[in-house]
Amino acid sequence: GESVGLHLPTLSVQEGDNSIINCAYSNSASDYFIWYKQESGKGPQFIIDIRSNMDKRQGQRVTVLLNKTVKHLSLQIAATQPGDSAVYFCAEPDRVSNFGNEKLTFGTGTRLTIIP
Amino acid sequence: NAGVMQNPRHLVRRRGQEARLRCSPMKGHSHVYWYRQLPEEGLKFMVYLQKENIIDESGMPKERFSAEFPKEGPSILRIQQVVRGDSAAYFCASAAGTASMNTEAFFGQGTRLTVV
Repeated sequence: GESVGLHLPTLSVQEGDNSIINCAYSNSASDYFIWYKQESGKGPQFIIDIRSNMDKRQGQRVTVLLNKTVKHLSLQIAATQPGDSAVYFCAEPDRVSNFGNEKLTFGTGTRLTIIP
Repeated sequence: NAGVMQNPRHLVRRRGQEARLRCSPMKGHSHVYWYRQLPEEGLKFMVYLQKENIIDESGMPKERFSAEFPKEGPSILRIQQVVRGDSAAYFCASAAGTASMNTEAFFGQGTRLTVV
């Protein structure tokens, strides 16, 4: 089965508020995670990534937190804007593969709606 | 530098026809991945190719589906004798290397296949 999964399928947040999107994973050996944003009718867009030697990484208005103890990561978006409305996926590369490639396993996704 | 280009953006096929989806990776990228996304679901890995080689096709259905990435020209995902269950969005991603090489995979806008 999939290693990554999300707690909530939908999330509505008032514009200007902060949002938190959660993701759980099951493989304790997972060492790299990526968050993608997918707007309607478009392909996934890289937001931010984190490696297991870190527990926090910050970008522009986004922060990813990694809790290896409970195998959980979250994406925090500060001061949300209408353009943040999208589906957000966490993903991890398949390290088990013998092919040396980095095919991604995606979670189901959380649909974030920003309320004006 | 143009992004990953997929065409057509929308494709309608009758049951039993063939669907050909094209993906031109970003300039300089030699790694191509194909993913399928059903409505309200995450992306599922199908196949990973490098120039003239299929590296990992573990996510491809055994029948009717094939992929290629020739030395010249785009990568092609071919679906023969399409059925309604093939209706989905098909995304291509390209990368210059693997995630362990600190390279990012970029996604195209996808081809939305509808089988009627």
